[in-house]
Amino acid sequence: KAGVTQTPRYLIKTRGQQVTLSCSPISGHRSVSWYQQTPGQGLQFLFEYFSETQRNKGNFPGRFSGRQFSNSRSEMNVSTLELGDSALYLCASSLGTGRAAIGGYTFGSGTRLTVV
Amino acid sequence: GENVEQHPSTLSVQEGDSAVIKCTYSDSASNYFPWYKQELGKRPQLIIDIRSNVGEKKDQRIAVTLNKTAKHFSLHITETQPEDSAVYFCAATGNQFYFGTGTSLTVIP
Repeated sequence: KAGVTQTPRYLIKTRGQQVTLSCSPISGHRSVSWYQQTPGQGLQFLFEYFSETQRNKGNFPGRFSGRQFSNSRSEMNVSTLELGDSALYLCASSLGTGRAAIGGYTFGSGTRLTVV
Repeated sequence: GENVEQHPSTLSVQEGDSAVIKCTYSDSASNYFPWYKQELGKRPQLIIDIRSNVGEKKDQRIAVTLNKTAKHFSLHITETQPEDSAVYFCAATGNQFYFGTGTSLTVIP
């Protein structure tokens, strides 16, 4: 089966711009989570969506937002980009959320965002 | 919420030796504990997981142990090989996945 697909793979934006990243989960997976990963840092949780509803949210400013569509595809938006937003953004899909995510997450390859 | 601590942050071992990475968690309700391996420039991939009703699980050279009473779980890699070099993340599931901060493992040939 197809894996988790993230587009685009690479993105260069200018400070102040906004950006939208896309994530298509594995077929049948209804949960999509987003993570920010910077060099030397771990996986910083952004938010999780399940059945078009945001279930959990991490400690990121309101410039970071997301949504999920009826086909489980998810988008993440970052407005008013800052240099510090440069990172690898990973999404992961799973059958359920939290304790129901038995089988774990399957990660996409990520979108590497560079803000200049 | 859950708090997952992972140690050590870096680990170097000689090829053929064993490597052990430890994680502790705080939420006694967490019941699923996966481990992910992230090679340089690649996505994290699930390598082994354990549920709270099991104390140990093995898969070839990799094993995970869980001590629910002490709230800690560990990844054991035996007979390490250079291709085991990567960053390893533990996680515990409460209402969401809580990841540890990662361990960079280097296997020296």
